[in-house]
Amino acid sequence: EADIYQTPRYLVIGTGKKITLECSQTMGHDKMYWYQQDPGMELHLIHYSYGVNSTEKGDLSSESTVSRIRTEHFPLTLESARPSHTSQYLCASSSGTDTQYFGPGTRLTVL
Amino acid sequence: GNSVTQMEGPVTLSEEAFLTINCTYTATGYPSLFWYVQYPGEGLQLLLKATKADDKGSNKGFEATYRKETTSFHLEKGSVQVSDSAVYFCALSSNDYKLSFGAGTTVTVRA
Repeated sequence: EADIYQTPRYLVIGTGKKITLECSQTMGHDKMYWYQQDPGMELHLIHYSYGVNSTEKGDLSSESTVSRIRTEHFPLTLESARPSHTSQYLCASSSGTDTQYFGPGTRLTVL
Repeated sequence: GNSVTQMEGPVTLSEEAFLTINCTYTATGYPSLFWYVQYPGEGLQLLLKATKADDKGSNKGFEATYRKETTSFHLEKGSVQVSDSAVYFCALSSNDYKLSFGAGTTVTVRA
């Protein structure tokens, strides 16, 4: 069973606040990913990392930023949250194979 | 580029009915194909995968066969249960370890 954790699970915050969504995995996977899932359920890749100190933007442009200082940790930061950032954010990781394992997600609401 | 086209939902079935969700893909090379499932309030879970043509993935009574000639990976289950109510995503991998997802199909099984 994959062990990948996301905190918080739910977050309601006011406009203009800085937030960090946490994602950690205990599997030693080198690759990690962030997806944004809209109300229609479609998934969009917004960031990915193939290893420590490596980060890339995904297919969907996002105002968020990520960092990868440790293998197991891949936090996502929004410097100034806006209502348009309201969404579900899913973190995933993978190793040598192409199978990705997902965390439970963070549901963000910006008022 | 790679893309996945998935049968639109929502799909509503009675318990013990037969379920089929169509998935076709466009890809260069020889991608791996996946079905992921998302239960309410959770992240995505890998349901099954196939890595080469004519492979059949199976899990929890679900099956899908990698058909290169028709570029398809249709998901089937012979007798659904209420607990199968979820959103199902078809996906394919690309050479750079990223996944391309379909739009998702919401399945509701009624008792």
